[in-house]
Amino acid sequence: DSGVTQTPKHLITATGQRVTLRCSPRSGDLSVYWYQQSLDQGLQFLIQYYNGEERAKGNILERFSAQQFPDLHSELNLSSLELGDSALYFCASSVDIGQGQETQYFGPGTRLLVL
Amino acid sequence: QKEVEQDPGPLSVPEGAIVSLNCTYSNSAFQYFMWYRQYSRKGPELLMYTYSSGNKEDGRFTAQVDKSSKYISLFIRDSQPSDSATYLCAILINDYKLSFGAGTTVTVRA
Repeated sequence: DSGVTQTPKHLITATGQRVTLRCSPRSGDLSVYWYQQSLDQGLQFLIQYYNGEERAKGNILERFSAQQFPDLHSELNLSSLELGDSALYFCASSVDIGQGQETQYFGPGTRLLVL
Repeated sequence: QKEVEQDPGPLSVPEGAIVSLNCTYSNSAFQYFMWYRQYSRKGPELLMYTYSSGNKEDGRFTAQVDKSSKYISLFIRDSQPSDSATYLCAILINDYKLSFGAGTTVTVRA
C-alpha cells in the first residue's frame, strides 16, 4: 500500500458526461501528479500540483482540469467525455516539488469506462 | 521522437532464469532513470532509481545506465513467479515530468 488513495475505483459513464476523480496524497506529501494509462498511449503524465498551485502540464486535454485543495487532496475533472477517454487514471504524490530524486508514489487508480 | 522507447514484449521465462529488460532514450541530457513494477490492476511502484550512469544493485535486481548508448537496463536474477508483472522504465524530464516507456509484460513460469 503506497499511502495514496483514489476514489472511485471504477466509474462507468456515457459519452458527453462529466466525472470527478479524487485523490488523497500520502501524509506529508505536497505534490500531486495525475496520469492517464491506456493500451495505445501507455502511461502519460497529465498535470502536477504542488501545495495548491499548478506546477507542470503534460498531455492534458482542454476538456480536463484539475485542482488541489488546501488539505492537499486533488480532483481531476473530465468533461464532455468521449469513448477514447476510457482508461486508467492514476494519481501519484511526492514529498516535494519533484526535483531529481523525488520518488513518486502511485495510487491504485480509477478505471474509467465511457460507453 | 519519443523520449523513451521500450519493447512491450511480452516476455516469458522459466523460474530461476535471468530477466533482462531494456529501454532507449532520446536525450543525452537526461540524468534520472527509474524502473517501476506494475501488477495487474494496481498502480506502478518504484523498484529502482539510478542517477547518471553506472550500475545499481538491490537484492535480485540490477539497474544499469549506459549514457554513451542512451540505454537503460533492468536485470532480475533468480526470477520468481511473483516477479510476473509489467515493468516500466521512466525518465525524469524537466525536473517535474516522468516520461514512461510502454512497459514490458513479464511472465515467470513455475
